[in-house]
Amino acid sequence: QQPVQSPQAVILREGEDAVINCSSSKALYSVHWYRQKHGEAPVFLMILLKGGEQKGHEKISASFNEKKQQSSLYLTASQLSYSGTYFCGTETFGNEKLTFGTGTRLTIIP
Amino acid sequence: DADVTQTPRNRITKTGKRIMLECSQTKGHDRMYWYRQDPGLGLRLIYYSFDVKDINKGEISDGYSVSRQAQAKFSLSLESAIPNQTALYFCATSDPRQGASNEAFFGQGTRLTVV
Repeated sequence: QQPVQSPQAVILREGEDAVINCSSSKALYSVHWYRQKHGEAPVFLMILLKGGEQKGHEKISASFNEKKQQSSLYLTASQLSYSGTYFCGTETFGNEKLTFGTGTRLTIIP
Repeated sequence: DADVTQTPRNRITKTGKRIMLECSQTKGHDRMYWYRQDPGLGLRLIYYSFDVKDINKGEISDGYSVSRQAQAKFSLSLESAIPNQTALYFCATSDPRQGASNEAFFGQGTRLTVV
């Protein structure tokens, strides 16, 4: 079963912040985050492995709430280059297949 | 050269035809995946393989089959293509033994149109 992402789409002005959420009904072993530019393949951003873990990549960071089986991706002071579709990918205990969410389309306008 | 290569990049085929999409990788990864991407539905898992002798169905395997010919090659077949299989298909590889994470590396995608 696919993890659920929200929102489905968001439009921001350059410099604004955004949060993208990912939730699963199953106990998660890990959460991945990827960004896909239009017409390109998804590209890995980061992986979170432990409950409550936070990681950062430039001005993009993420958290993982193991108890709630949820992860959030934080984009601060957004740049035009952040535009794209963001996917969370999850692995569950006992089955490490990588399952992706429905995606969140982020549009940054000047 | 790309680490994960998909062929063809674009294909138009007729309903009822058999078609094979190929994926090869030079990363030495054991795990390979096939996904399809549709607007609003994200990336959905079709089949995955954790080594040459291991083949597993994903969420939407009906109408598809796969073959893992070698560690480096993983092919997806549509035995009798139908229009609702029109989509963008991605192959991906990963290996938790390499590096600190099991990040997935994607091919450039195959855009398949069934008419």
